[in-house]
Amino acid sequence: AQSVTQPDIHITVSEGASLELRCNYSYGATPYLFWYVQSPGQGLQLLLKYFSGDTLVQGIKGFEAEFKRSQSSFNLRKPSVHWSDAAEYFCAVGPTGGGNKLTFGTGTQLKVEL
Amino acid sequence: DGGITQSPKYLFRKEGQNVTLSCEQNLNHDDMYWCRQEPGLGLRLIYYSQIVNDFQKGDIAEGYSVSREKKESFPLTVTSAQKNPTAFYLCASSIDKAGTYNEQFFGPGTRLTVL
Repeated sequence: AQSVTQPDIHITVSEGASLELRCNYSYGATPYLFWYVQSPGQGLQLLLKYFSGDTLVQGIKGFEAEFKRSQSSFNLRKPSVHWSDAAEYFCAVGPTGGGNKLTFGTGTQLKVEL
Repeated sequence: DGGITQSPKYLFRKEGQNVTLSCEQNLNHDDMYWCRQEPGLGLRLIYYSQIVNDFQKGDIAEGYSVSREKKESFPLTVTSAQKNPTAFYLCASSIDKAGTYNEQFFGPGTRLTVL
């Protein structure tokens, strides 16, 4: 069965600092990988996704993520964090056989200090 | 504008009461989903539907029921059998194109609290 681990429950960074949110997955083959962001009391918005090809993917709001097969990781990065990035971030994995049943991680809450 | 709407935004349930959460989409999506979100547990799938009048149980379906009488609508009923329903409920939808992943679009959520 597929699974996702986000080892950091909370992360605090200063505005302007770089950010890396960790995500590790367990899946038998190369999965579809996603990062979503959720503002308080809101639904989820897709930041970026990886299906195949270039292992460094660019997303919205200046985010990027790198797929590393050897480490079963798909970490999310941003070179300079803005106060508006404070939110909860979810990593998710989907089956490469198609279908839309995603498995989500438990989320990482990002706090940005001014 | 196309999108997914959920109502109400906040809902309170008394012990032994059934409540229904609404989810409507005008994206012409085939697939619809209900997820439950709680701190530290991420999102867990309750039910999903790929076609009208058909739906499948997700990982935590006990105590919940759904219907899919129209393509646009996928209401979720939280029954009295669900002993711990306090959570944030998210509805999502996606197209159904075989052989690839189709992005899920999420509604704004309903927060359910047991009194």
